[in-house]
Amino acid sequence: AQSVTQLDSQVPVFEEAPVELRCNYSSSVSVYLFWYVQYPNQGLQLLLKYLSGSTLVKGINGFEAEFNKSQTSFHLRKPSVHISDTAEYFCAVVGANNLFFGTGTRLTVIP
Amino acid sequence: DAGVIQSPRHEVTEMGQEVTLRCKPISGHNSLFWYRQTMMRGLELLIYFNNNVPIDDSGMPEDRFSAKMPNASFSTLKIQPSEPRDSAVYFCASSLIQGASNIQYFGAGTRLSVL
Repeated sequence: AQSVTQLDSQVPVFEEAPVELRCNYSSSVSVYLFWYVQYPNQGLQLLLKYLSGSTLVKGINGFEAEFNKSQTSFHLRKPSVHISDTAEYFCAVVGANNLFFGTGTRLTVIP
Repeated sequence: DAGVIQSPRHEVTEMGQEVTLRCKPISGHNSLFWYRQTMMRGLELLIYFNNNVPIDDSGMPEDRFSAKMPNASFSTLKIQPSEPRDSAVYFCASSLIQGASNIQYFGAGTRLSVL
């Protein structure tokens, strides 16, 4: 069965500091992973995806994630955050014709 | 493309009333998903369709909830009768499933308040 665990429900970080949002997955089939971002009062937007190939995936807005098969992780990182990065971030893994979402991590960037 | 379009954006209704949420997926997509998001339960998948056919409705909370997809360009989620605990943001998403790729594109959501 497929599932994801987001270990941190809330992450506060100061502006221009680096951030890492953690995601661990469980999958009994080939692994395809996503990060989505949800800004206040909006729907979810695709941030980046891992389907195959390089384990380091770059997404929009300067975010990147690294697929680590041995640790079953897909952590999201950004070297320097901006106020505009304040949002909720969801990790997801592909199941059979569906996505399984984590419970989300609320990133708050402090000026 | 305009993306996934949901209407209305906001709905306020009284307990016991029927509520209908609408979704227009991205043209050419073959799958459509309905989600519910609340503070307490997070993001929950209610039902999804593939080629207009409901595939998995195990997330639909009760018989009061029903969803239809009469054609590839339109879907509805209906709650009858509505209850205060149905208050949530309801999202529709569509996807073109090809092989393992299942990138879902979300609408802006419908914020439902049942008084």
